Amino acid sequence: NAGVTQTPKFRVLKTGQSMTLLCAQDMNHEYMYWYRQDPGMGLRLIHYSVGEGTTAKGEVPDGYNVSRLKKQNFLLGLESAAPSQTSVYFCASSYLLGDGSEQYFGPGTRLTVT
Amino acid sequence: TQLLEQSPQFLSIQEGENLTVYCNSSSVFSSLQWYRQEPGEGPVLLVTVVTGGEVKKLKRLTFQFGDARKDSSLHITAAQPGDTGLYLCAGPSGGYQKVTFGTGTKLQVIP
Repeated sequence: NAGVTQTPKFRVLKTGQSMTLLCAQDMNHEYMYWYRQDPGMGLRLIHYSVGEGTTAKGEVPDGYNVSRLKKQNFLLGLESAAPSQTSVYFCASSYLLGDGSEQYFGPGTRLTVT
Repeated sequence: TQLLEQSPQFLSIQEGENLTVYCNSSSVFSSLQWYRQEPGEGPVLLVTVVTGGEVKKLKRLTFQFGDARKDSSLHITAAQPGDTGLYLCAGPSGGYQKVTFGTGTKLQVIP
């Protein structure tokens, strides 16, 4: 099993450009999450999904969109990139919902917006 | 939103020393988790504590959940360079659909 994979690993964008980050999991998990990690701020939830075809906003959703057309994939889109979106992005999945459930994380995507 | 504050933010120690990392909140959590993140990788779950006062041991790591379920601590005995990483505490929020992560403690163990 590959677990959770993320594509791409690194990306540099210019302000105003758009891009899509792909997350894939092969553990048949219902729940998937997108986080961003900035120095000194831990992990902040951007959007999440509790099942195929459903998405919900997290703590910092502005400037991002997501789609979960297939159970195994969760896409994060940046419509018009801004320097404030420079960050490391992590995707995670879990078998159960929040309380005590283990989240499995991908290796991250390092995004720089110039 | 339930907040989790971790202290210290940074810790640099010599191999063989002991250390304690804290995770505190003003809110009650039904459970708390500890994750470790190594450079260039995603976090990996170390432990989940679910009962107030609970103590769990994982080799040289000891985790404690506060009696009031508002705080947790991680104690490492005889730290080794392999313990280097970012330690994150996390707890359920938003009707258990989401997880709130703490601000993290970055640990460096010097050989």
